[in-house]
Amino acid sequence: DTAVSQTPKYLVTQMGNDKSIKCEQNLGHDTMYWYKQDSKKFLKIMFSYNNKELIINETVPNRFSPKSPDKAHLNLHINSLELGDSAVYFCASSHSLGRDGNQPQHFGDGTRLSIL
Amino acid sequence: AQSVTQPDIHITVSEGASLELRCNYSYGATPYLFWYVQSPGQGLQLLLKYFSGDTLVQGIKGFEAEFKRSQSSFNLRKPSVHWSDAAEYFCAVGARSSASKIIFGSGTRLSIRP
Repeated sequence: DTAVSQTPKYLVTQMGNDKSIKCEQNLGHDTMYWYKQDSKKFLKIMFSYNNKELIINETVPNRFSPKSPDKAHLNLHINSLELGDSAVYFCASSHSLGRDGNQPQHFGDGTRLSIL
Repeated sequence: AQSVTQPDIHITVSEGASLELRCNYSYGATPYLFWYVQSPGQGLQLLLKYFSGDTLVQGIKGFEAEFKRSQSSFNLRKPSVHWSDAAEYFCAVGARSSASKIIFGSGTRLSIRP
């Protein structure tokens, strides 16, 4: 009955490779997010989708491409991985931002990406 | 744009002692405020939130926080900590607009002394 699930939990790969992280939520939320948490625990939003539409796109290299096939899924594809991409990536979901401003977000357990 | 500061990087308290984690925000109007907790190897879990109304907010696991507009603060408190409270705590602030994002503080690591 996991609310927000991400796969894989760990991802170890070499520089230059392309990889994807998948995220699914079963909470009935219509907004989903990707965050990057660096080694100092600093958490920064990367993208947000509302009803499959991109609504937040921070300054992120275009090697990162989110894809939302439906409201319950938001995947993150990363091309040409670099050493600096090593981090923990968190998926989150919430009810629509527009309903009552910012709604509490529910987080997955994270994907720890290590670039060799 | 909103911002949030957690001045304490690391705090150690004895088990059974009281706890206060500081959070200061910057925003031109009344913000939405949140406290999240992150246990090692896990995602963030919402402890409590403030949207409007009573400025003293009760959360899960015995935590509470008080919104003080005059001090731009939203400090997290617990009267008696347990060893299981050891974790990273994040304060977050959101703006009251439909397309805004939540900004997280840099976190405070809480250690519990037996």
